[in-house]
Amino acid sequence: QQQVKQSPQSLIVQKGGISIINCAYENTAFDYFPWYQQFPGKGPALLIAIRPDVSEKKEGRFTISFNKSAKQFSLHIMDSQPGDSATYFCAASLSGSYKLIFGSGTRLLVRP
Amino acid sequence: SQTIHQWPATLVQPVGSPLSLECTVEGTSNPNLYWYRQAAGRGLQLLFYSVGIGQISSEVPQNLSASRPQDRQFILSSKKLLLSDSGFYLCAWSHQGISNQPQHFGDGTRLSIL
Repeated sequence: QQQVKQSPQSLIVQKGGISIINCAYENTAFDYFPWYQQFPGKGPALLIAIRPDVSEKKEGRFTISFNKSAKQFSLHIMDSQPGDSATYFCAASLSGSYKLIFGSGTRLLVRP
Repeated sequence: SQTIHQWPATLVQPVGSPLSLECTVEGTSNPNLYWYRQAAGRGLQLLFYSVGIGQISSEVPQNLSASRPQDRQFILSSKKLLLSDSGFYLCAWSHQGISNQPQHFGDGTRLSIL
C-alpha cells in the first residue's frame, strides 16, 4: 500500500516526440506527487509536482496529469529533446509526512 | 538560496574499513535531513531521516548509522563496511515543520567496496 509503481522501466523517443511515464499508487492518503529528473552521476532534481486537488499542471514542456479516481499520475514531456535523456522518478508523500516514497525510475533516451 | 554539499564525490574502501560521509546544508535553518542509497540502475531507498539535532529515524536495519551533530550537518557512518554497502549515497533536505514538501538532493557519493 506504500508503494508507487512506475512504468515503463525504459523509454526511447525520437527528438520532437512526446515522452509519457506513468505511475500508480494504492494509498489514498498520498497527497503530494513530485517528479524528479536525474542525470548520470548527479542527484535527482525536482522537476514538477502536483497535489490531488488539481488534475493537470504544466511547466514549459513538462506536464503532470493526475487521475484521482484511477489513482494514477503521469509525466508528459512534449517536444522531447536529447538533453531530456535522463532517469525520471515519480514519488508520493503521505498527508502529514516528511518522507517521499519513490517509484523505481524510468530511463529515457531521446534520439536525435 | 539554499545549497547542499556532499563529500567526497567518490570513495573506494576495503571491506571491514570504517566509513564517514558528510552532508551540509547552507541557506536554511532547521531543515529535515535525509540519507538515501541508490543501487545501480535502481530507485532510491530511504536509510535515515532527521527532523532536528540529535534526532535520527532509521528506516532500514543495516550496517550503517547516522548522526546530526549540528543543525545543518548530517553524517552517515559505518564501523565495518560490507560488500553490500556499495552504492550511490544521496543526502537531501526539506523545510522543517512543513509536510508534503519537495526534497532537494546533493550530488551524491559513489561508494565502492573492494
